[in-house]
Amino acid sequence: NAGVTQTPKFRILKIGQSMTLQCTQDMNHNYMYWYRQDPGMGLKLIYYSVGAGITDKGEVPNGYNVSRSTTEDFPLRLELAAPSQTSVYFCASSPNNRGSFTDTQYFGPGTRLTVL
Amino acid sequence: ILNVEQSPQSLHVQEGDSTNFTCSFPSSNFYALHWYRWETAKSPEALFVMTLNGDEKKKGRISATLNTKEGYSYLYIKGSQPEDSATYLCASHEDGGFKTIFGAGTRLFVKA
Repeated sequence: NAGVTQTPKFRILKIGQSMTLQCTQDMNHNYMYWYRQDPGMGLKLIYYSVGAGITDKGEVPNGYNVSRSTTEDFPLRLELAAPSQTSVYFCASSPNNRGSFTDTQYFGPGTRLTVL
Repeated sequence: ILNVEQSPQSLHVQEGDSTNFTCSFPSSNFYALHWYRWETAKSPEALFVMTLNGDEKKKGRISATLNTKEGYSYLYIKGSQPEDSATYLCASHEDGGFKTIFGAGTRLFVKA
């Protein structure tokens, strides 16, 4: 299993540009998450999904959109990039097959995004 | 949004020292408490998940305890080694358990 994969690894955007960060997992996990990591701030939850077709906002959803058309994929969309969105973005997944919150999350390698 | 707090923010120790740090979380509507280890330039990796008051978990030289009544968990590292240098994150849940909320982490530096 490849686990959780993210593309691209690095990206530089100009203010106002849009892009999609891709996330795929091959573990048949129900739950998927997007986080951003800002210096000294740990991980902030942007959006999460409990299954295909179901998404919900996390702590910091403004400026982002997500979709979950399949179990495997959970892309994160930035429509109008702003300097405040410069960050490292991590995608994660967890089984949560029986609604248990004891399942740990498996993280992808991250995408480093810079908005200039 | 519930507040998960970790202290200290960073810690510098010598090789062989034992150390501990704290994770505080709201004690109401508790679901589970997770600890992750995050090395620089890598992704966070799970250490422990704890659910019951009084839980103690151990993995090698690292152990953790949980007090859900007062809302805190301790992570202990016995005989720190340079390879223990990393950020240690804790996480709890809110909103019916679906949202995972992470603390800001404790950054541990172990000097040889």
